[in-house]
Amino acid sequence: NAGVTQTPKFQVLKTGQSMTLQCAQDMNHNSMYWYRQDPGMGLRLIYYSASEGTTDKGEVPNGYNVSRLNKREFSLRLESAAPSQTSVYFCASSDSWMDGNTIYFGEGSWLTVV
Amino acid sequence: TQLLEQSPQFLSIQEGENLTVYCNSSSVFSSLQWYRQEPGEGPVLLVTVVTGGEVKKLKRLTFQFGDARKDSSLHITAAQPGDTGLYLCAGYTSGTYKYIFGTGTRLKVLA
Repeated sequence: NAGVTQTPKFQVLKTGQSMTLQCAQDMNHNSMYWYRQDPGMGLRLIYYSASEGTTDKGEVPNGYNVSRLNKREFSLRLESAAPSQTSVYFCASSDSWMDGNTIYFGEGSWLTVV
Repeated sequence: TQLLEQSPQFLSIQEGENLTVYCNSSSVFSSLQWYRQEPGEGPVLLVTVVTGGEVKKLKRLTFQFGDARKDSSLHITAAQPGDTGLYLCAGYTSGTYKYIFGTGTRLKVLA
């Protein structure tokens, strides 16, 4: 079972370059999320998509854009990468808005901006 | 902004010891979850608590949701090296459509 698949797994960017992180889920989930994880800061929500066709800002949206391409796919774009965006990025999905619903995570994408 | 503070941030203990990890907030949550994350992987759900005062047990792990649904604790009895990892709490509030994660507790259990 693939679950949540995100690519690439590793990427090194130069300051000012752009890139897109791709994410796809095969669980027919309505909701998808992008988080970033930095040492000592847990997981911080960048953007989320409650359902196909909608996207909303999370805690730390500046410098990022997202696209919910269809129900399966949710991409994260860095238009002009900055060293502060060096982080591990996780895509996730969940089934519904019911309390206590499980979030399923991808394996992470390690991004370094030099 | 909703914040979830976890304590301690780091914990290194000997095999067989007991420990408690805390997750605190000034906000009320509809539900709270605990996840464990291994190096190089995404977090994996351990448990969800929904009702204030609720206690759930998962083998040697005991989870409690505070009466006011603002805090939670994770207690591990007789820790084992396999318990080593990053423990994350996550709070959900109905109508917000998003989960907010805590700062994490990194646990190392020494054999």
